[in-house]
Amino acid sequence: AQKVTQAQTEISVVEKEDVTLDCVYETRDTTYYLFWYKQPPSGELVFLIRRNSFDEQNEISGRYSWNFQKSTSSFNFTITASQVVDSAVYFCALARSGNTGKLIFGQGTTLQVKP
Amino acid sequence: SAVISQKPSRDICQRGTSLTIQCQVDSQVTMMFWYRQQPGQSLTLIATANQGSEATYESGFVIDKFPISRPNLTFSTLTVSNMSPEDSSIYLCSVEGQGSSYEQYFGPGTRLTVT
Repeated sequence: AQKVTQAQTEISVVEKEDVTLDCVYETRDTTYYLFWYKQPPSGELVFLIRRNSFDEQNEISGRYSWNFQKSTSSFNFTITASQVVDSAVYFCALARSGNTGKLIFGQGTTLQVKP
Repeated sequence: SAVISQKPSRDICQRGTSLTIQCQVDSQVTMMFWYRQQPGQSLTLIATANQGSEATYESGFVIDKFPISRPNLTFSTLTVSNMSPEDSSIYLCSVEGQGSSYEQYFGPGTRLTVT
């Protein structure tokens, strides 16, 4: 069975703090894809990253970074020097190879960044 | 990239009625996906719509309740039939990126309230 767990329901930080959002997944597949999406209060889903299971290199994009560890089935997301505009719900998702349009989403983590 | 539009953006409907949601993509795509996001919840895949064939529904979703049409490679509709308050959700259309794009694109969503 495929499953994504985001154990942190809500996180509140003060602006400029670093924050890490946890994502743990379950799959028996050897090939799969992991995603992170941001859903701001306006409701649209903003794509942040897709990573395939064969690429364990960490990714950095500006203030965002992702740590993929197959050994612990985790794909954590860190925001450095958080800003108020980072306030949103963040979703981690899993897709099987060959079915990359069929995403299994975690429950989401609500991040509130206070000024 | 793919640009997805949905109509209507929101609606308030009475129980027992039906609503058809339209999804238009600016490029031809093989598969289109319909997701539901219940209030405060994560996203759940309803069905996959291929052009020229019947939609494939996920566990817990049936064609009688959520009939889907896919008349061409850029358009799909999802109907929410015989609505009840439990159907109040955001309904999102999604497509895979083409070529080297790694995104899974989502439409802006249709926010449905059933009274």
